[in-house]
Amino acid sequence: DIVMTQSPDSLAVSLGERATINCKSSQSILYSSNNKNFLAWYQQKPGQPPKLLIYWASTRESGVPDRFSGSGSGTDFTLTISSLQAEDVAVYYCQQYYTTVRAFGHGTKVEIK
Amino acid sequence: EVQLVESGGDLVQPGGSLRLSCAASGFTFSDYGMNWIRQAPGKGPEWVSYISSSSDTMMYADSVRGRFTVSRDNAKNSLYLEMNSLRDEDTAVYYCARVQWLDDYWGQGTLVTVSS
Repeated sequence: DIVMTQSPDSLAVSLGERATINCKSSQSILYSSNNKNFLAWYQQKPGQPPKLLIYWASTRESGVPDRFSGSGSGTDFTLTISSLQAEDVAVYYCQQYYTTVRAFGHGTKVEIK
Repeated sequence: EVQLVESGGDLVQPGGSLRLSCAASGFTFSDYGMNWIRQAPGKGPEWVSYISSSSDTMMYADSVRGRFTVSRDNAKNSLYLEMNSLRDEDTAVYYCARVQWLDDYWGQGTLVTVSS
């Protein structure tokens, strides 16, 4: 099974500053026939289900602010929040959907410094 | 509007059984595979089970195989998870999610607590 490893476990960023979260898969999740990376990013706030932010590694879900961006390919991926806002305080998860057996990272908690 | 509403969560003793339901609306349910995903308190999400649109394929996480059974009724737009031989470690919020390549819509979840 594919294992997803996220880093850091938590980070504190000043309002307006950049936050960067990394995610590494144990094998490539780039599907060669369509050249797409089967990687999603979710945001979760307390008491709520995970909310889809990014899919295909870099495509923003409708309604997601453009301060959120995803990058990477193969096995290494990054979620960037370009200018942290108070409402971005949450736990962020990466997930591979390359296989039916899904795998999630353990999460990165983002707080305000 | 796509809606997924889970129900059936409860407090149950170890070794007990429970049946979860997920009511779908706002899309053609019979066109989509579905996942069950759970999240234990303070932990990340964990995939539990998948069922294809026509129920010809079911898959399970190692942690639940042999104890949980996924099923669906396309005529009722409903997804189910039958859970037997429940253990303390099955305590979690259980979500159903629509599968379109990725898990694009999730329900709000239903809480299962396994405790004596």
